[in-house]
Parts: sequence; structure tokens; C-alpha cells
Amino acid sequence: EPEVTQTPSHQVTQMGQEVILRCVPISNHLYFYWYRQILGQKVEFLVSFYNNEISEKSEIFDDQFSVERPDGSNFTLKIRSTKLEDSAMYFCASRVDNEQFFGPGTRLTVL
Amino acid sequence: AQSVTQLDSQVPVFEEAPVELRCNYSSSVSVYLFWYVQYPNQGLQLLLKYLSGSTLVESINGFEAEFNKSQTSFHLRKPSVHISDTAEYFCAVSDRFQKLVFGTGTRLLVSP
Repeated sequence: EPEVTQTPSHQVTQMGQEVILRCVPISNHLYFYWYRQILGQKVEFLVSFYNNEISEKSEIFDDQFSVERPDGSNFTLKIRSTKLEDSAMYFCASRVDNEQFFGPGTRLTVL
Repeated sequence: AQSVTQLDSQVPVFEEAPVELRCNYSSSVSVYLFWYVQYPNQGLQLLLKYLSGSTLVESINGFEAEFNKSQTSFHLRKPSVHISDTAEYFCAVSDRFQKLVFGTGTRLLVSP
């Protein structure tokens, strides 16, 4: 069964460093999303992406964040200069029809 | 703006007992409603969804949820739980633009 994959599973970085979180969505899906879940809090929407451009973004998704689909398979989330409060689990999702399929997440720890 | 409220952060229950996980939503437009389950160290898996039609929807593993528009609720129920149902359950709402708005989650703890 096809699934969304994410790498790495855990990323530890120093404050101020850039990180890139990678996702491989399900191959025939056209809509892609990033969500995050700070420990003990709810899952929050960050950004949606369709047809090689951002279709919607939340107020969390400021200038420090960017997304890219560099080739036909990968979908990346970049955080330019990480802050302590960026520590969270980041989930990628891809959608077909009305169902979003989630990856296992990347746990980002900013020290 | 849409929002989801899951009042119960944790629900302990004995194996084979019935359970109900509550979910209320707020939205000014027509909604789609979802329940996702998250097992330890795993991603979110869709459990069931309401898009239109019958207000009672069922999953393959015995869960069901009923969309109640007048009460703006989408409670999740199972008549007899198993140990393996222990997980975090998230209710979510979306509109036609499709981003999901999640509740804070309910941890279901099933004990023997």
C-alpha cells in the first residue's frame, strides 16, 4: 500500500541553523501539506501546496519557512533560522479526493 | 474560522466496555469531519470521515461516528474496545479548501 514517507525521523539542530525536512508524498497525489505538533498541543496547519505554488498558509508560516517541490517526488519544508519554539513534530500529508494521508513525522529538536 | 473542541484529554476504559469520545466543532460553512488515530510513534491514520449523505459513518474496526448538525457534534463511539485501541484520537474539520483544523486530541487508555 502506498504511503507518505518522511526523513529524517529525528533532527537535532542548534538555534539559528537552517533545517530541511523532507517528504515523499504518494505518487498520484496533487495536494500537499505540512502540519506541526508541539509537544502536548494540537496538530496545527502550516501550509498547503498545489500546482507548484502555495495555496494557503497559516500565520505560523512566516518568512523563516519555505516549501519546495524540487523534483517530481520530494516535497520539502525549510526553516531558515531555527528558534527554540520551532521544536515540534512536523507532519507531511498528501491528498487525493477528500482524504489526507499523513507521514510518520519528523521530530525537530532545537537546542 | 473553524475550530474543534475535544473536551476529554484522556479516557480510561476497561477492555470490552463501550466508549464515546466527544467532538464538537464550530464552522460558518459546510464542513467535512474526520477522526484520525495516532498510535505511539506513528503518524496520523484516518479512522473515518463524514463528507455528505448518511450521518452515521463506520470504520472497518468497529468505530462509528454520527454527524449531528444541530448539536455541531461528531462523537466517536465503539461498543466494545480492545487493548489494541489504545491510542490518541484526533477529531478534525475542513472546508472545501481542505486544510484540516484539529482538536487537541483524546488519549484512549484501554486496560484489561
